[in-house]
Amino acid sequence: QVQLVESGGGLVKPGGSLRLSCTASDFTFSDYYMSWIRQAPGKGLEWVSYISGTGTTIYYADSVKGRFTISRDSAKNSLYVQMNSLRAEDTAVYYCARGVAGGGNSVLDYYFDYWGQGTLVTVSS
Amino acid sequence: SYELTQPPSVSVSPGQTARITCSGDALPKQYGYWYQQKPGQAPVLVIYKDTERPSGIPERFSGSSSGTTVTLTISGVQAEDEADYYCQSADSSDVVFGGGTKLTVL
Repeated sequence: QVQLVESGGGLVKPGGSLRLSCTASDFTFSDYYMSWIRQAPGKGLEWVSYISGTGTTIYYADSVKGRFTISRDSAKNSLYVQMNSLRAEDTAVYYCARGVAGGGNSVLDYYFDYWGQGTLVTVSS
Repeated sequence: SYELTQPPSVSVSPGQTARITCSGDALPKQYGYWYQQKPGQAPVLVIYKDTERPSGIPERFSGSSSGTTVTLTISGVQAEDEADYYCQSADSSDVVFGGGTKLTVL
C-alpha cells in the first residue's frame, strides 16, 4: 500500500526557516512527480510546488517562488521542501502528494492520487 | 490568475442526488479532478480526468464535463459522504484548486 509520511513541521518565527520531509514507500519513487500542497487553518487547498521524478523539472506557485526550494533524494525515497523567509500566511498543514500526469495540454496537468497525513507549520512570534 | 469557482455549500437528504459544480475558463481544454476531504483527514481522489473513478471509490460517485463546467455527482447520498469537496485543474502556469464545497447530509 502506497504510503507518504511527512515530518518536520513546527512553530517558527516570521522570517525563519524550516525543512519539511516526506518519506515514500511501496512504489517506485523515481517514476513519479511529487508535490507539496498546503491548507491554511479552516481554508482550502493550495498547490505549492512540483518536482519531476528525476528532479530536473520544478515548478512553484507564485506565492512561494524565491522562498521555498523543493528537492528529492531517490536513494532515500524522500521529498523535501526548504522554506525560508517564512511569513504568517505560510501557516498551514503541508501535505506531500504523488502526482500522476493527466495527459492534458498543460505541462502542469497532474492530479494527486495519494496524499500523506500532513504536517503543521505555524509561523508566529 | 486562473480561478475555479465552486458553490460554498450543498445540502441533500440521504438517498438523494448531490451535484457539485466547478467552473473555470480553462476547463474546456484541461481536465478536472475531484477530491473528498473529511475533517482532520487528508484529501482523497474521487474523480480524475473529468469522468474516471479510481479503484475503491463507490460507483455512486461520477463526474461529467460540459463547456467551462465540471460536475461531481453523488447518487444515493449516504451520511458518510458528508465532507468538503474540492475540484482541481491546471492552466499553462498554475495548478489551481477550487474554494471547496461543504456537502451536508441532512
